[in-house]
Amino acid sequence: AQSVTQLGSHVSVSEGALVLLRCNYSSSVPPYLFWYVQYPNQGLQLLLKYTSAATLVKGINGFEAEFKKSETSFHLTKPSAHMSDAAEYFCAVNIGPEGGADGLTFGKGTHLIIQP
Amino acid sequence: DTAVSQTPKYLVTQMGNDKSIKCEQNLGHDTMYWYKQDSKKFLKIMFSYNNKELIINETVPNRFSPKSPDKAHLNLHINSLELGDSAVYFCASSTSTRPYNEQFFGPGTRLTVL
Repeated sequence: AQSVTQLGSHVSVSEGALVLLRCNYSSSVPPYLFWYVQYPNQGLQLLLKYTSAATLVKGINGFEAEFKKSETSFHLTKPSAHMSDAAEYFCAVNIGPEGGADGLTFGKGTHLIIQP
Repeated sequence: DTAVSQTPKYLVTQMGNDKSIKCEQNLGHDTMYWYKQDSKKFLKIMFSYNNKELIINETVPNRFSPKSPDKAHLNLHINSLELGDSAVYFCASSTSTRPYNEQFFGPGTRLTVL
């Protein structure tokens, strides 16, 4: 079984401030973890993914995430927020058919608001 | 060129009608998916197809029937539409069923059932 919990349905930060979006996962086998971003009225775009090669993963648009097995976390960060970062962010896990499931299991999303 | 495209973008219809949503990917991928995003933006997988064969079928009512005429297309047909079917439906594709593969999403189809 697999699940994802995103803490905070809404996060508001000032432009230029640190962005921290939290994600915790539960998985019966080693997981593959993803962060996707959804801009208004658009589809989802991959920001970054963890595939066990490195625990600190760098993605597009200056985002990065760190996989911490001991904390079952995969939090997303960006040092300095930009107005264009305002969007919905989804953390997702996929453990594949070997783990008894397939397809992405998503968290409920975090709406990131950037204050000018 | 759009990697994953869906038609139509918006679909408004009456309860009880039958409708279809089409999806096409030009990425040469073997695996395609349908996801449903509800009004609270929660995303849930509905179907997965690999090489035109159904791989997973989550607890979706049998009023929903996916059809894959070839690897590049995965259509979603919905019979006897209900109010609760109102949602945004996303098609996605990936290289294979390997769980570490990125899934590429289409722009979504917003279905409104009146």
